[in-house]
Amino acid sequence: GDSVTQMEGPVTLSEEAFLTINCTYTATGYPSLFWYVQYPGEGLQLLLKATKADDKGSNKGFEATYRKETTSFHLEKGSVQVSDSAVYFCATGFSGGYNKLIFGAGTRLAVHP
Amino acid sequence: GEEVAQTPKHLVRGEGQKAKLYCAPIKGHSYVFWYQQVLKNEFKFLISFQNENVFDETGMPKERFSAKCLPNSPCSLEIQATKLEDSAVYFCASSPQSRDRDSNYGYTFGSGTRLTVV
Repeated sequence: GDSVTQMEGPVTLSEEAFLTINCTYTATGYPSLFWYVQYPGEGLQLLLKATKADDKGSNKGFEATYRKETTSFHLEKGSVQVSDSAVYFCATGFSGGYNKLIFGAGTRLAVHP
Repeated sequence: GEEVAQTPKHLVRGEGQKAKLYCAPIKGHSYVFWYQQVLKNEFKFLISFQNENVFDETGMPKERFSAKCLPNSPCSLEIQATKLEDSAVYFCASSPQSRDRDSNYGYTFGSGTRLTVV
């Protein structure tokens, strides 16, 4: 079945460091790809998405590019802030708002001043 | 409103007791999803509804778990005879009806209900 694999955390960085969180997926067909963020005690918030190969999703300085050839959707940010500390989830799903999402296991990011 | 409202925020049940969780989706959203997040952050899909009809129940445990979305009422997830392994945070999400691949997908998650079975 469909699955998402993302790098294990925690990832600990100093403020202004470069962030990469790896994500690869397996899916039958051509899914959309997502990054969600979960702050402590809260639900998931959509961070960015891409719906087709070579699409780049971006938001709040975060970017990820849909790479069909490597089935990857790695999350990057050039300069992290303390406020970016959260758990990040990569997810895959098919078009339309009615399909379930398949989530990776989550990667905890801790950014220190 | 513009948020998915889940109640209660915390629920403690003794093993074998019943637990009932509620979710009020965003008004106008046709789809409701339930996910279970266990301690190691893993999100497991349980069930989805299109209005009051079950749409996808492939993740739903066959025993003890049931769910409903009735008109003009919050959706509910009920666990009969809870077990220790049911301890988790249960998230609800809602989404508007859309077949547009490039739409915003529209998933909005609630803040979750933390169920602790003791």
